[in-house]
Amino acid sequence: DADVTQTPRNRITKTGKRIMLECSQTKGHDRMYWYRQDPGLGLRLIYYSFDVKDINKGEISDGYSVSRQAQAKFSLSLESAIPNQTALYFCATSLGVNEQYFGPGTRLTVT
Amino acid sequence: AQTVTQSQPEMSVQEAETVTLSCTYDTSENNYYLFWYKQPPSRQMILVIRQEAYKQQNATENRFSVNFQKAAKSFSLKISDSQLGDTAMYFCAFIFSGGTSYGKLTFGQGTILTVHP
Repeated sequence: DADVTQTPRNRITKTGKRIMLECSQTKGHDRMYWYRQDPGLGLRLIYYSFDVKDINKGEISDGYSVSRQAQAKFSLSLESAIPNQTALYFCATSLGVNEQYFGPGTRLTVT
Repeated sequence: AQTVTQSQPEMSVQEAETVTLSCTYDTSENNYYLFWYKQPPSRQMILVIRQEAYKQQNATENRFSVNFQKAAKSFSLKISDSQLGDTAMYFCAFIFSGGTSYGKLTFGQGTILTVHP
């Protein structure tokens, strides 16, 4: 079984809809992250959490919110989706300052 | 803020040959780590190799090795004996190990590598 899972894997939604992307991990890591990937821009950090009570904005947090429901769960929400949020979204985990382990990604399309 | 630059959007190599992917970064810090991640068509992000900035010795993992030049802020990836399965997007990434940016990973734009039979 995968250590970091993301649901859904693919999603098409309409402008203005609220959508939640979920991430779960079985690695026991304290830190969790959400990134988005756009062609030519690499991965950019949206939000990160170093423990359940610690939530921090990344470089592109506008239009997004997160919830750390437990050490193993970290959800990303788009309150009102817009087309330029169409991207590949990744959740990642790490133990301290160490390599990050990524989930399989969620392909989100906003029409 | 730190930046990571990969100046080669695309590279190609023949199977069994050697290829080097370039990466430069900008930081005033001394304590950090550098990584190369691979993203094959399956889109899964896979760690290839890791380098601690305080180590002078270049990291090696089987056919993958790095040339870490700290003063020049350069971190290139060499793939020897290239295989078809090496075809992927490769990302260079940087993370601080101290200070206010502690623990945040910054990625380069990526280099698409194609290995031809």
